[in-house]
Order: sequence, then C-alpha cells, then structure tokens
Amino acid sequence: EAQVTQNPRYLITVTGKKLTVTCSQNMNHEYMSWYRQDPGLGLRQIYYSMNVEVTDKGDVPEGYKVSRKEKRNFPLILESPSPNQTSLYFCASSFRAGGPYEQYFGPGTRLTVT
Amino acid sequence: QKEVEQDPGPLSVPEGAIVSLNCTYSNSAFQYFMWYRQYSRKGPELLMYTYSSGNKEDGRFTAQVDKSSKYISLFIRDSQPSDSATYLCANLNSGYALNFGKGTSLLVTP
Repeated sequence: EAQVTQNPRYLITVTGKKLTVTCSQNMNHEYMSWYRQDPGLGLRQIYYSMNVEVTDKGDVPEGYKVSRKEKRNFPLILESPSPNQTSLYFCASSFRAGGPYEQYFGPGTRLTVT
Repeated sequence: QKEVEQDPGPLSVPEGAIVSLNCTYSNSAFQYFMWYRQYSRKGPELLMYTYSSGNKEDGRFTAQVDKSSKYISLFIRDSQPSDSATYLCANLNSGYALNFGKGTSLLVTP
C-alpha cells in the first residue's frame, strides 16, 4: 500500500530534550516536506526536500533541522524543543515538485512540549 | 497578508444542500489551485485541482477558479454527512511549496 508513515504518532516531552520525528514514504517520491498545523494558523511549511541531499527552508524553519540521506526518509529534528513547538506535525511527499502532483500526507504526529 | 485567505467557518448545512466553499489569493502568478479535504485526526488528502481559470467537475464536486478576481471556489452538490470535514484550498507558489488556506470546517447534518 502506498503510504507515508510517521513515528511517533503522539509525543509528550520536556523543554530542551532533543527529539526526532521520523517520516518514510514507499512511493519513490522525489519531493518531501514537513508541515505544522496550529489552530487559527493552518498548515505551514517547515522544511522541504527536492531530492536526496537537497533541502530548503519553508515558512517556519526556526528551531527545526532536517536531513535527506535516503530518498524514502525525511526525519524532522528538534534539537532543543520549546513549548511554542507544541503542534500537530505532518510529513508529505509527492512525485516531484513543480506541478500539480498530489502531496500525500502522513497521519500526523501530535507533539506536546512542557 | 497571507497568500491564501479562507473563511474558517464552521459551516453547518443539512444533508442534500449545495455547499459553497471559497478562498481568495493574492499572487496573480499562481497557476495551480487545489482543494484538500481533512477528516478529524487524519492528514489532508487531495480532492481536486485546477490549472489556471475555469471549472473542473468530479462527481458531486466542482472546483472553480476566477483569476480576474483571484477567487477559488469548491461546490459540493447533494452534500452527505460523510462530507463533514475541513476543506483546505491551496495554490502552488514558485513550484516548490503549497500555500494553504487555514481551512473551512464543514458539518453536514442528517
């Protein structure tokens, strides 16, 4: 089954404790992206990747890091999480960028930072 | 100013009603316009997309783009309780990222 998986689905952590949210897709997609979704603010892009070893900032990159060492994986790293990073996070992938290619979204990771 | 503006609702309609969901956008360079549907506790999924201006129909759904007024619409005919979800409009900027509206919450009551 074609899908985007994320782990963990739920995470409660404390300020400053480094964490990684994994994202994996099995569709051989070139383009991958991370979003956060907050009430009243909608979906906002954090980082995206056009292909392996090619990443760039989205609208709200501060406090996040990403890497793309393999085509299928695109982990999101929070080196020192803060309460304002409490949010619902979605990973997405599409065939490639630059066209109306459907972005397939993962199930989401609900992160709470206390 | 956010590039895509969308009324958050909530919008509540009786089953069978025609639903109209709307967005406005600011960048006239946008070419692709999309509608995503998001059920509670799920990721968004693509419903429809249109290129440039005009209408596109898919079953009970019609997407409409008016580039002269920078207006995007989604019409749902014969709405069903299963259509209850949040609807997100989006358009493609430089080719690399989707700009999403904040989403409109729709409730179709039996």
